[in-house]
Amino acid sequence: EIVLTQTPFSLSVTPGQSASISCKSSQSLLHRDGKTSLFWYLQKPGQSPQLLIYEVSRRFSGVPDRFSGSGSGTDFTLKISRVEAADVGVYYCMQGLHLPLTFGGGTKVGIK
Amino acid sequence: VQLVESGGRLVQPGESLRLSCAGSGFNFRSYEMNWVRQTPGRGLEWLSHIASDSASVHYANSVKGRFTISRDNAKNSLYLQMTRLRADDTALYYCLVGMAYWGQGTPVTVSS
Repeated sequence: EIVLTQTPFSLSVTPGQSASISCKSSQSLLHRDGKTSLFWYLQKPGQSPQLLIYEVSRRFSGVPDRFSGSGSGTDFTLKISRVEAADVGVYYCMQGLHLPLTFGGGTKVGIK
Repeated sequence: VQLVESGGRLVQPGESLRLSCAGSGFNFRSYEMNWVRQTPGRGLEWLSHIASDSASVHYANSVKGRFTISRDNAKNSLYLQMTRLRADDTALYYCLVGMAYWGQGTPVTVSS
């Protein structure tokens, strides 16, 4: 089973500033087809998770360009630029390379 | 895209329960589907996957032999038959289209 370790556990951000979340995998998420199966989700309070990023850096439909993903192999980062109040919630990374699909423990983002 | 889960309720340990997920707004029969559950203590846990044509199914070790995933493409519906329920199956259960869209979840509580 692939283990994903997310850091930090939580962070508080001043509106307009940037935030970064790390996700480290216990093994490479590079598929033999050349794609890397790493996803980022945001779960807003009281809602189900919503997809932000797939294949490390591809923004899902309707996701603002303030959200960007980067990384390769086993180390990945989600960056939120110009943080807004609407960005609060818990962010999760997930790997889709091998079953069982596994998730990071989550990073709770709040606003100062 | 809309996914609506139903069927969650309070049950006693050892009992069975069937969850349903009704999909709309997309070509249901073309997509693989997943069940994921969420608890405060264990976070997000993938449970089961089914191919678009039901040709393959997969389960997490924690539910293998107790849960059965199925689908009816004619009814745009996904199911999760849960048997021999235990207290640690208490969670909010989500269905997913692939790894993108999530339903709102249906709560299952296993308690005497």
